[in-house]
Amino acid sequence: EAQVTQNPRYLITVTGKKLTVTCSQNMNHEYMSWYRQDPGLGLRQIYYSMNVEVTDKGDVPEGYKVSRKEKRNFPLILESPSPNQTSLYFCASSLGRTNNSPLHFGNGTRLTVT
Amino acid sequence: AQSVTQLDSQVPVFEEAPVELRCNYSSSVSVYLFWYVQYPNQGLQLLLKYLSGSTLVKGINGFEAEFNKSQTSFHLRKPSVHISDTAEYFCAVNTPSTGTASKLTFGTGTRLQVTL
Repeated sequence: EAQVTQNPRYLITVTGKKLTVTCSQNMNHEYMSWYRQDPGLGLRQIYYSMNVEVTDKGDVPEGYKVSRKEKRNFPLILESPSPNQTSLYFCASSLGRTNNSPLHFGNGTRLTVT
Repeated sequence: AQSVTQLDSQVPVFEEAPVELRCNYSSSVSVYLFWYVQYPNQGLQLLLKYLSGSTLVKGINGFEAEFNKSQTSFHLRKPSVHISDTAEYFCAVNTPSTGTASKLTFGTGTRLQVTL
């Protein structure tokens, strides 16, 4: 089954404790992206990747890191999480060759930073 | 720069009634338009998309949307909703550009609440 898999689904952590949210897709998609969803703000792009070893900042990249060492994986890293990073996070992927490719989303990771 | 406005944050409607969820976009160039749906505790999934051609686009689950260039709108409609349509709906816009970053911009979402 074609899918984008995120782990974990739920995560509670404390300020400053490094964490990684994993994302994997099995559709051989070139493009992958991370979004955060906050009430009243919709989805905002954090980082995206056009292909292996090619990543770039989205609209809200501060406090986040990503890497794309393999085509299928695109982990999101919070080196020193803060309470304002409490949010619902989504990973998404698409073919990416043109901008009309629809995004396929994972089921989300709800992060709480205390 | 492109932007999307979904004026209604919540739309309550009775089952079997028609519904329209409004979306207006802003872009200086031609656009691709999308509607995504998010069911509780799930990720977003594509409902329908407008790329070019016919301005009336049909999607899954009986939804349709009409692209109106003069009014810069892409409103989503369904003639008769079901309880199972209760979800959050996001409008999104992108611009035709190959080989460059995919800057899909989302609206803030409209929560459709269907009741008996």
